Amino acid sequence: LAKTTQPISMDSYEGQEVNITCSHNNIATNDYITWYQQFPSQGPRFIIQGYKTKVTNEVASLFIPADRKSSTLSLPRVSLSDTAVYYCLVGDGYNQGGKLIFGQGTELSVKP
Amino acid sequence: NAGVTQTPKFQVLKTGQSMTLQCAQDMNHEYMSWYRQDPGMGLRLIHYSVGAGITDQGEVPNGYNVSRSTTEDFPLRLLSAAPSQTSVYFCASSTPRTKNIQYFGAGTRLSVL
Repeated sequence: LAKTTQPISMDSYEGQEVNITCSHNNIATNDYITWYQQFPSQGPRFIIQGYKTKVTNEVASLFIPADRKSSTLSLPRVSLSDTAVYYCLVGDGYNQGGKLIFGQGTELSVKP
Repeated sequence: NAGVTQTPKFQVLKTGQSMTLQCAQDMNHEYMSWYRQDPGMGLRLIHYSVGAGITDQGEVPNGYNVSRSTTEDFPLRLLSAAPSQTSVYFCASSTPRTKNIQYFGAGTRLSVL
C-alpha cells in the first residue's frame, strides 16, 4: 500500500482558499487517491476521490499532476466549520477492500 | 438511510472484562473494517473483512477478535480488556463498486479502568 505524507497542521482564515498537499511517491497504477474529513468525536467522511488530472465537486477540488506522485486538496473560501482533520489515502479501488491505512492527517484550523 | 450503525455509543469496562462492539451496515457492502483512534492520533486498522467468512489482521490486531458470519454484521470482541484499549472505535464499510470509498459509523467510545 502506498504510503502518504501530509503536513501535520495548517492554519487559515475565513474566506481564504486552503490547499493541502499529499505526497505519495509509491503510488501504483491501479491506485485511486481519496480524501476524508473528520470532525471531533465523529467518524471520517468522504470528501473527494480522483485518479488523474482534476476532480471537482460541491465541497472541494482535487488536483493530481501527470506523474500522480502527489495530490492537492483545495477548499475554496473556508469557513469556521471547515476546521477538521483531513486524511489523504491511496489505494486500489478493487483489490484492497477494507485494508486502508490512514496516516496522521492534516489538522486544519480556520480562524475568524 | 441507516448506513453503518455502531452500538453501544459509550462503554466503561473494568480491566479483564470482555465485551463485543457491534457494527452493522445496510448497504450490502462486501468490505468491512474496524479502526481505533486514540486522542490526538490518526486511525489505526485493527481487523478487516472482504466478505462473509473471511477476516484478516490489520495494524494492531492483538487483544481483539472478529468474525463475519453475515454480510451485514462485523462484531469486534475484546477478550480481556486492558487500559491500553481505551480508545474510540470506528467501524467502516465499502464496496469495489464505488472504488472502496469508506463509510464510517459514529463510533464507540470505550474506557477501560
